Amino acid sequence: DTGVSQDPRHKITKRGQNVTFRCDPISEHNRLYWYRQTLGQGPEFLTYFQNEAQLEKSRLLSDRFSAERPKGSFSTLEIQRTEQGDSAMYLCASSLESLRKDTQYFGPGTRLTVL
Amino acid sequence: EDQVTQSPEALRLQEGESSSLNCSYTVSGLRGLFWYRQDPGKGPEFLFTLYSAGEEKEKERLKATLTKKESFLHITAPKPEDSATYLCAVRMRDTGGFKTIFGAGTRLFVKA
Repeated sequence: DTGVSQDPRHKITKRGQNVTFRCDPISEHNRLYWYRQTLGQGPEFLTYFQNEAQLEKSRLLSDRFSAERPKGSFSTLEIQRTEQGDSAMYLCASSLESLRKDTQYFGPGTRLTVL
Repeated sequence: EDQVTQSPEALRLQEGESSSLNCSYTVSGLRGLFWYRQDPGKGPEFLFTLYSAGEEKEKERLKATLTKKESFLHITAPKPEDSATYLCAVRMRDTGGFKTIFGAGTRLFVKA
């Protein structure tokens, strides 16, 4: 399968714990995005990378959130000191940035539940 | 303020009853408009990209159209398996680059 993959698919944690999610993009894609989605809403942009450079971070991304893409391939999103409000689906997407084509392809998501 | 609004929030159709979903946007510097389908508990699945007013794309029972202010997703003779949430996203110019904004989606229910 050459699509975007995410791990784990589900994570249940207690408030105050740290969690880390992984995303493996489509191999030839140079852009990688993280989104957060809550029930009944569309995905909200968190951050994106072009190759290994983190080019933009949303105001939604508090200091407790950090993302990396160390070699321009897979990416990790870490949430420190989780809060109940962090419960959501975390989606990763990748795209091949070019003149015209900028379509983002999504992974299956990681469902986070903070108790 | 850049905004993407989808209507209706929910739509219930009988099998075979054609209809349209709307995505209206107020943005500057449109880079592209995207339609996705999302099933419960899964990531969005790409359907179409539209770049210019007047452009149309088709796939099976779905057809997407684009004007300068809105896009429509037409569903012809829907089947129960078309039941899902349909998301619209707009990519636009932003200071220093581009950004993507999603609408809240339209939940489609098709009854046999």
